[in-house]
Amino acid sequence: KQEVTQIPAALSVPEGENLVLNCSFTDSAIYNLQWFRQDPGKGLTSLLLIQSSQREQTSGRLNASLDKSSGRSTLYIAASQPGDSATYLCAVKHGSWGKLQFGAGTQVVVTP
Amino acid sequence: SAVISQKPSRDICQRGTSLTIQCQVDSQVTMMFWYRQQPGQSLTLIATANQGSEATYESGFVIDKFPISRPNLTFSTLTVSNMSPEDSSIYLCSVPDRNTEAFFGQGTRLTVV
Repeated sequence: KQEVTQIPAALSVPEGENLVLNCSFTDSAIYNLQWFRQDPGKGLTSLLLIQSSQREQTSGRLNASLDKSSGRSTLYIAASQPGDSATYLCAVKHGSWGKLQFGAGTQVVVTP
Repeated sequence: SAVISQKPSRDICQRGTSLTIQCQVDSQVTMMFWYRQQPGQSLTLIATANQGSEATYESGFVIDKFPISRPNLTFSTLTVSNMSPEDSSIYLCSVPDRNTEAFFGQGTRLTVV
């Protein structure tokens, strides 16, 4: 059974610092991995999708890496801003039509 | 990317009543997913809704409690029946695009009193 873990559960940094969020999964036979952002009481916004054949994806200040063999993904957010304050979730999928299995999330606070 | 409209965005309901949540997508999709997020928890899949067939429910979720309709390729509804305070959660619908990237609606925040 796949288990997805996110460490740390919460993180507070001053504005301008780089953020490093970790996601680990126990079953390496994934189809893809996706990072999401969730603001309080809201839905999920897709940030980055990494297919199983890829090692990383980048979008603006965001970079996500994937190491399937070790069951790890890392989301880097450069030069954090107060607007980056949110909960970040990672999710893995098995098979193109499989369901997403989510980690518990990392709650990020960026202080001005 | 898919654009998903979910209604209502929030509601406060009396215990014992039912609420139907609507999910409208701006393109035709084969599969739609319904998730629940209980307070302070991550997302759990309730069921997968395919057009023209019965929804497939995950362990711990039953059709009598969470009936789902999927009348066409752009629309689905989830009903939360005979509600209790334990049903207070955010309910979200999700669809994959052609690259299997998942997109979510803005969620329905349900409070049962």
